[in-house]
Amino acid sequence: NAGVMQNPRHLVRRRGQEARLRCSPMKGHSHVYWYRQLPEEGLKFMVYLQKENIIDESGMPKERFSAEFPKEGPSILRIQQVVRGDSAAYFCASSQDVQGEKLFFGSGTQLSVL
Amino acid sequence: DAKTTQPNSMESNEEEPVHLPCNHSTISGTDYIHWYRQLPSQGPEYVIHGLTSNVNNRMASLAIAEDRKSSTLILHRATLRDAAVYYCILKTSYDKVIFGPGTSLSVIP
Repeated sequence: NAGVMQNPRHLVRRRGQEARLRCSPMKGHSHVYWYRQLPEEGLKFMVYLQKENIIDESGMPKERFSAEFPKEGPSILRIQQVVRGDSAAYFCASSQDVQGEKLFFGSGTQLSVL
Repeated sequence: DAKTTQPNSMESNEEEPVHLPCNHSTISGTDYIHWYRQLPSQGPEYVIHGLTSNVNNRMASLAIAEDRKSSTLILHRATLRDAAVYYCILKTSYDKVIFGPGTSLSVIP
């Protein structure tokens, strides 16, 4: 059973370009969480999704950032018109639809904005 | 904001037990207590979780206070590979999961 797959591992973008980060949850998992981590800092919650629904996006910046988790396919975190401050590691985690169930994390995508 | 508080850092000697504390005084009846750790340059990994009773697995033990307002992660014999940031979080269904700054554990050879 493959773990949570994130791709790409590293993504380089120039200011103003778009970044698309993909997260394939573990088989049978219907909950996905996205986190951002700056160097030497903790994990900052961004968004919590279930299949086709955004449950909580209180951690997402109001502009340029969006996330989706379609019925088929991976969850996508999209950052439009990237700026240098968007440079960070982005982690996703998935869990089953069971109360209190543990989170499985991917290896992350390191986004670098030039 | 995170619902848990942990010491910023701790040190342990190699091959000695480590007790990592966590306070969660506002815990609700449906909150599970989870522990994760993050090794340098890696994604977080699950360590252990519980609801009311103490739990043991191959990685660690979790001791939960009777009133559930605090818990302790126990590493029975610390190794150099256990040096990481340890996060204690509360998780309930259909709610976001917030991570605090965690405890940075250093293991001294």
